[in-house]
Amino acid sequence: GENVEQHPSTLSVQEGDSAVIKCTYSDSASNYFPWYKQELGKGPQLIIDIRSNVGEKKDQRIAVTLNKTAKHFSLHITETQPEDSAVYFCAASKGSGYSTLTFGKGTMLLVSP
Amino acid sequence: ETGVTQSPTHLIKTRGQQVTLRCSSQSGHNTVSWYQQALGQGPQFIFQYYREEENGRGNFPPRFSGLQFPNYSSELNVNALELDDSALYLCASSRQGARNEQYFGPGTRLTVT
Repeated sequence: GENVEQHPSTLSVQEGDSAVIKCTYSDSASNYFPWYKQELGKGPQLIIDIRSNVGEKKDQRIAVTLNKTAKHFSLHITETQPEDSAVYFCAASKGSGYSTLTFGKGTMLLVSP
Repeated sequence: ETGVTQSPTHLIKTRGQQVTLRCSSQSGHNTVSWYQQALGQGPQFIFQYYREEENGRGNFPPRFSGLQFPNYSSELNVNALELDDSALYLCASSRQGARNEQYFGPGTRLTVT
């Protein structure tokens, strides 16, 4: 089955810096790659996603890039703010039949003022 | 915030007991997926329900079972609880045509003693 590796496990940045989180996946049939933000005591919140027919997608301070040949995708957050502090999860899905998401283990992002 | 709701918020059970967790999907969504999230880990897929039928299952034993109702709400039942079942149980809803675009509820924290 699909396996998703996520790095780093923790990331500390200063407010205003950029943060990059990277994921690799194993199943070349995967074609949908969402990113979730999970704050303490809450469920994961979908913040951005990308499909395999697109190489990059941006939404304000957040961007995701996808390299299907290398089977990796990354989350980029620019101008980080303390409220960006949370655990971020990447996931992959084949989107056929039943559509399960396979998650990475998460990255704890800490943005210091 | 998504429109996905879960109840109860927290639950404490004893090993060997049975538990039922409930989920109401977001308006317009007809598919519900359940995930188990152990502390410090990413969510793991349990199963998905579509049109009131199980539409895929992850690597979980048969004592994990579920239901989906005509209004698309869902239940997760776990029999013969084990200590390792202690986790955050998340439900996610999605719409037909984009079943891998999943929106999560806040989760139910289950503690088995």
